[in-house]
Amino acid sequence: AQSVAQPEDQVNVAEGNPLTVKCTYSVSGNPYLFWYVQYPNRGLQFLLKYITGDNLVKGSYGFEAEFNKSQTSFHLKKPSALVSDSALYFCAVRPSNSGGYQKVTFGTGTKLQVIP
Amino acid sequence: KAGVTQTPRYLIKTRGQQVTLSCSPISGHRSVSWYQQTPGQGLQFLFEYFSETQRNKGNFPGRFSGRQFSNSRSEMNVSTLELGDSALYLCASSQTSGLINNEQFFGPGTRLTVL
Repeated sequence: AQSVAQPEDQVNVAEGNPLTVKCTYSVSGNPYLFWYVQYPNRGLQFLLKYITGDNLVKGSYGFEAEFNKSQTSFHLKKPSALVSDSALYFCAVRPSNSGGYQKVTFGTGTKLQVIP
Repeated sequence: KAGVTQTPRYLIKTRGQQVTLSCSPISGHRSVSWYQQTPGQGLQFLFEYFSETQRNKGNFPGRFSGRQFSNSRSEMNVSTLELGDSALYLCASSQTSGLINNEQFFGPGTRLTVL
């Protein structure tokens, strides 16, 4: 069975500082990995994905994530945090051999609080 | 292109009632998935539909059901509502197929409150 772990319920960072939101996964075979962001009372918005290729993936709003196969991690990063980045972040995984089915598993989410 | 729409946005029901939620995917998307989001359990997968067929189902009781129409619109139904069914129900669509590994696009959700 596949799973995603987001070990931190909340991450606090000062505005302008770099931020990291951690994610580790477990899946059979090669993973497809995703990050989504959810603002209050909204649905999830796609940020970025790793399918194959370069381990460093760049996404929306200046976010990037690094795929590390040996550590089975896909941490979300941003060089300089903005107050507007404060939201709930979800990591998700799906096996590459899912035959086109979604079969996506989401982490429990990490609340990012950027302090002015 | 219009995004994923869900109706209604808010719903209040009482225990024992049943409810139907609707989701219209992005035009051209044939895969629709439903999720239940609660503070304690996070995002839980309910089911996925593709071309009017349910092809994946999460670990929910039979009170939760769904269907997809020929225009890819989807509905989910919850019968005999329980207090624990109070949640945000999210619908997501994608162009997923055997060769396309696209992300899901989420609707704003339907907030269901069971009293």
